[in-house]
Amino acid sequence: AQSVTQLDSHVSVSEGTPVLLRCNYSSSYSPSLFWYVQHPNKGLQLLLKYTSAATLVKGINGFEAEFKKSETSFHLTKPSAHMSDAAEYFCVVSDQLMDTGRRALTFGSGTRLQVQP
Amino acid sequence: NAGVTQTPKFQVLKTGQSMTLQCAQDMNHNSMYWYRQDPGMGLRLIYYSASEGTTDKGEVPNGYNVSRLNKREFSLRLESAAPSQTSVYFCASRWTSSTDTQYFGPGTRLTVL
Repeated sequence: AQSVTQLDSHVSVSEGTPVLLRCNYSSSYSPSLFWYVQHPNKGLQLLLKYTSAATLVKGINGFEAEFKKSETSFHLTKPSAHMSDAAEYFCVVSDQLMDTGRRALTFGSGTRLQVQP
Repeated sequence: NAGVTQTPKFQVLKTGQSMTLQCAQDMNHNSMYWYRQDPGMGLRLIYYSASEGTTDKGEVPNGYNVSRLNKREFSLRLESAAPSQTSVYFCASRWTSSTDTQYFGPGTRLTVL
């Protein structure tokens, strides 16, 4: 069975400082991993995804994430936070169910990022 | 392309009332999904449709029914709403159930009094 743990429910940073949102996963097979962002009262937007190519993945709005298999981690980073980055971020693992071939998504519980001026 | 659209955006129901949430996608995707989002719990899968003509239960199906009307549309019905169904509901779609990236609609915020 797969699972996702987002280690911080809230993260607060100052504008212009680095962002680190932590995610650990467990998976039986070779998973795909995603980060989605949700701005207040909006739907989920795909930030980036890892699908077994390069372990350092670049996404939109200057975000990137590094897949570390030995640590089962997929942490999201950004060198310099902007006020518009304030949102909720979800780490998601996609793994293949052997009996059906279907790829099931499992969501983390989310990390709310606050950016202080 | 509009992507994934959902109606209504907001709804308030009384306990015992019924309603249908509508979802449509214009990306020619085969698979469609309904999730609910509750504080501190991420998204949980209610029902999904791997392809037109099929539907299956997800993690939290009780109290809900679905209809895959055609390839574009996938509706979620609450037959007798309960306060525990107060949540934000998201519809999503993807090319097939064995591919990865899901695309989400803007959500429906439902309150059951």
